[in-house]
Amino acid sequence: AQRVTQPEKLLSVFKGAPVELKCNYSYSGSPELFWYVQYSRQRLQLLLRHISRESIKGFTADLNKGETSFHLKKPFAQEEDSAMYYCALRTTSGTYKYIFGTGTRLKVLA
Amino acid sequence: ETGVTQSPTHLIKTRGQQVTLRCSSQSGHNTVSWYQQALGQGPQFIFQYYREEENGRGNFPPRFSGLQFPNYSSELNVNALELDDSALYLCASSFSGTDGYTFGSGTRLTVV
Repeated sequence: AQRVTQPEKLLSVFKGAPVELKCNYSYSGSPELFWYVQYSRQRLQLLLRHISRESIKGFTADLNKGETSFHLKKPFAQEEDSAMYYCALRTTSGTYKYIFGTGTRLKVLA
Repeated sequence: ETGVTQSPTHLIKTRGQQVTLRCSSQSGHNTVSWYQQALGQGPQFIFQYYREEENGRGNFPPRFSGLQFPNYSSELNVNALELDDSALYLCASSFSGTDGYTFGSGTRLTVV
C-alpha cells in the first residue's frame, strides 16, 4: 500500500533546540518526496523536495531508502518555524498520485 | 497575476446537489491538481490534469470530475453531494508536476 506516515501530531521544542519531524513512507518504487509547510492563516507552500537536495530556511531532509524515511531537520529552531508541516510522496510510475501525511504541528517555545 | 486563485472561498450546499469549484493556475503552469482536506487530515489527492487531459487520479468516485481549459484554469465538479464531502478543497498548479506545487487558499464546502 502507498502511504505516508507522520507519527507525531504535535511537536513542541524550545527556541534554539534541534528539530526533527518524522516522515516514513510505503511505496514499492522510487518515490519523489516533498515537505510542505503551512504557517498560520497562510496557504500550503512547498518547503523542499528531496530531488533538489537543498536547504530552505535552515531545514534539510535526506531520503533514506533503507529506512523508507524522509525526516525534516533543523539544528536550531526559531519561533517563526511554528507551523503545520506535511510530508508528501509523488508516485513515479503508472498513474500520478500525490499522497500526503496527516501533518505535524510544530510549536517553538520562547 | 501570479499565484493560484480559487473561487468561491466558502460555499454551502444541500445533500444531493451539484457543485462546481474554480481555479486559476499560476502563470506559466500547465499542470493542476485538486485535493480534498477534511478537518485534521492531510490533503487527499483527487486528480491531476496536464494540458487538458487527466493524467492521475486518487481514490475518489466518478461523481468527482474535472476539467482543465486551454488557459490552464480548471474546474472541479462534484455531483450528488454527500455530507462527507464537506471539506476544504485545494487547487494546486505546477509546471509539469515534478517540481512541487503552488497551492491556492482553498474553497470551504459545507454540505447540509
